[in-house]
Amino acid sequence: DAGVIQSPRHEVTEMGQEVTLRCKPISGHDYLFWYRQTMMRGLELLIYFNNNVPIDDSGMPEDRFSAKMPNASFSTLKIQPSEPRDSAVYFCASTSRWERGGRDEQFFGPGTRLTVL
Amino acid sequence: AQSVAQPEDQVNVAEGNPLTVKCTYSVSGNPYLFWYVQYPNRGLQFLLKYITGDNLVKGSYGFEAEFNKSQTSFHLKKPSALVSDSALYFCAASASGAGSYQLTFGKGTKLSVIP
Repeated sequence: DAGVIQSPRHEVTEMGQEVTLRCKPISGHDYLFWYRQTMMRGLELLIYFNNNVPIDDSGMPEDRFSAKMPNASFSTLKIQPSEPRDSAVYFCASTSRWERGGRDEQFFGPGTRLTVL
Repeated sequence: AQSVAQPEDQVNVAEGNPLTVKCTYSVSGNPYLFWYVQYPNRGLQFLLKYITGDNLVKGSYGFEAEFNKSQTSFHLKKPSALVSDSALYFCAASASGAGSYQLTFGKGTKLSVIP
C-alpha cells in the first residue's frame, strides 16, 4: 500500500485566498483524521470522520475551515479565506477499527506545509 | 479533558548510551497510550502502543515503553541509542471508551544522539 497520500506537499498563498488540502487514506481504513501542527500549539486534532461521516469537528478553529469526505478514498480540508495565522503543517491520518486487533495506531501522511503570506 | 505532558523539550544522549523520553498522561478510566516518531519533513510514524496486558511494551527499532499506572507515566526507552534515532518523539493518549480514534498528543521531545 502506498500509505496515506496528501497533496500538495507545499502550498504558498496570499491572505484571503482559498486553500484546499487533499487526502487519500489507506484503502480499507474507515477513520480519517485531520491534524494541524505548529511550533506554538503542537499537534491538534481538527476533525475526524468515520465511514465518511464527520464525527467530531470541535477542533476546527473557525468557520473559515471546512472538511468533507465525499467517499471512502478522498477527503478535503478547505480554508476560505486564509490568514497568515493558518500557516502550519496539516496532516491527514487514517486507521481501521479492525486492523491488527481492533485498537490501532493511526497512519499519518507526509503532511502539507501551508504558508499564508 | 485528557492531556499528555512531555516535560523535556529536548533530550541529548551519547551514542551507545541508554535513552529515556518521558511522558505522563491524564485520562479518565483506562488509557490507550502510543509513541510516535517524526523525522524532518515527514509524517508521524508509529513506534509502539499500550492497550492492556504487560506493562512493558516492545516496539519498532528496539524501543520499548513502560506503563506505570500509579505514576500515570509511559516513558519511552532504548538500551543503546543510535545516531539515527535523532528525531522528534510524540506521546499520545486516548480514553479506552473512545478507542484509538481520538488521540491527544504531547508537545513532543526532540532527541539528539551525539556520536
